[in-house]
Amino acid sequence: GQQLNQSPQSMFIQEGEDVSMNCTSSSIFNTWLWYKQDPGEGPVLLIALYKAGELTSNGRLTAQFGITRKDSFLNISASIPSDVGIYFCAGHLFTQGGSEKLVFGKGMKLTVNP
Amino acid sequence: KAGVTQTPRYLIKTRGQQVTLSCSPISGHRSVSWYQQTPGQGLQFLFEYFSETQRNKGNFPGRFSGRQFSNSRSEMNVSTLELGDSALYLCASSSTSGSYNEQFFGPGTRLTVL
Repeated sequence: GQQLNQSPQSMFIQEGEDVSMNCTSSSIFNTWLWYKQDPGEGPVLLIALYKAGELTSNGRLTAQFGITRKDSFLNISASIPSDVGIYFCAGHLFTQGGSEKLVFGKGMKLTVNP
Repeated sequence: KAGVTQTPRYLIKTRGQQVTLSCSPISGHRSVSWYQQTPGQGLQFLFEYFSETQRNKGNFPGRFSGRQFSNSRSEMNVSTLELGDSALYLCASSSTSGSYNEQFFGPGTRLTVL
């Protein structure tokens, strides 16, 4: 089945540093989504990407939809303590049977040292 | 506007029992999707309901079932519980089917199977 390989699995950084994470797959996706999940809560959508090559920013966050439609990356610049959490990528695709599904990466746990 | 609510927040069951989880979507949202989140497998899509009909389904056994009521509230049922069913079960709502970029997640129900 479709799988997303998300890396790295975890990162420990100092406040103010930038961090990058990416997701790759052997499948082609129509939409890439990036989420953040805080402890005890559900994921919150950060950025949505809709077409190959698209580069989108949301404050200190920047994400890109890969040209091949099989990968995406997320950058966080000038990290702050509240950036701590688990970041997930997700890809939206249509299956051969005509249904839709959202496939998630395993997540990247970010720790920011003040 | 109230967010997505899930009840109960925590649940402990034993193997062989069955369990029913409830999800109330954001007012006006007609699509409800269910996900299972475990440390090993990450977030996996279970199924989506829209206007009381199952629209999309993930790769889970028939022990996992759901339904949606006319007020868009949804329930998920797991029968003959197994230890591996221990997980955080998340539901997410959106205004229309397949609108994953507009999906809002609830806080989840933490199920522990002993």
